[in-house]
Amino acid sequence: KAGVTQTPRYLIKTRGQQVTLSCSPISGHRSVSWYQQTPGQGLQFLFEYFSETQRNKGNFPGRFSGRQFSNSRSEMNVSTLELGDSALYLCASSRTSGGLTFTDTQYFGPGTRLTVL
Amino acid sequence: SQQGEEDPQALSIQEGENATMNCSYKTSINNLQWYRQNSGRGLVHLILIRSNEREKHSGRLRVTLDTSKKSSSLLITASRAADTASYFCATDARIQGAQKLVFGQGTRLTINP
Repeated sequence: KAGVTQTPRYLIKTRGQQVTLSCSPISGHRSVSWYQQTPGQGLQFLFEYFSETQRNKGNFPGRFSGRQFSNSRSEMNVSTLELGDSALYLCASSRTSGGLTFTDTQYFGPGTRLTVL
Repeated sequence: SQQGEEDPQALSIQEGENATMNCSYKTSINNLQWYRQNSGRGLVHLILIRSNEREKHSGRLRVTLDTSKKSSSLLITASRAADTASYFCATDARIQGAQKLVFGQGTRLTINP
């Protein structure tokens, strides 16, 4: 079974631009969660989508948004990029939603490393 | 402040020795998970322990959970060079109305040959 894939793997953007990252979950998984990892803040939860609906959301500004398609693939968009958005963005998939509790193993993709200049 | 905090932040031991990492958290949880991350890559799930469990084993890994102290430990026995990685605990908790998987800052483990 193929793992979680993320595209692109590396991305360089300039301040003010917007970016879209893509995540394809493991076949049969309906939940996709997104995380931001930086040296200063560590791993922080952005949001979770399940069956095309956002189920949970972290404490990030509205510039960070996402969506999920009917095939469970998910995209994350960051508008008006800031230098502080430079990070490794990880997505993770699981069979069930973390709606009430994250009891299912989350399988992580390799991440997209975003650099904002 | 972080829900989960690992201790120590960095650990360096000789191959064959045991490595112990600790995690403390603040709110009540449903379960606690441990993940491993090799340099700049995605996370690999190691083990999940539920709030009503006290100890769990998986191969060379042993995880304990003490909900009264809000702490967990991960023990890796007979360490190998391939165990060199960062290890994170993640707590499943409801914070500010949202269910989240909250990660600690991680312990960077180095196994010296």
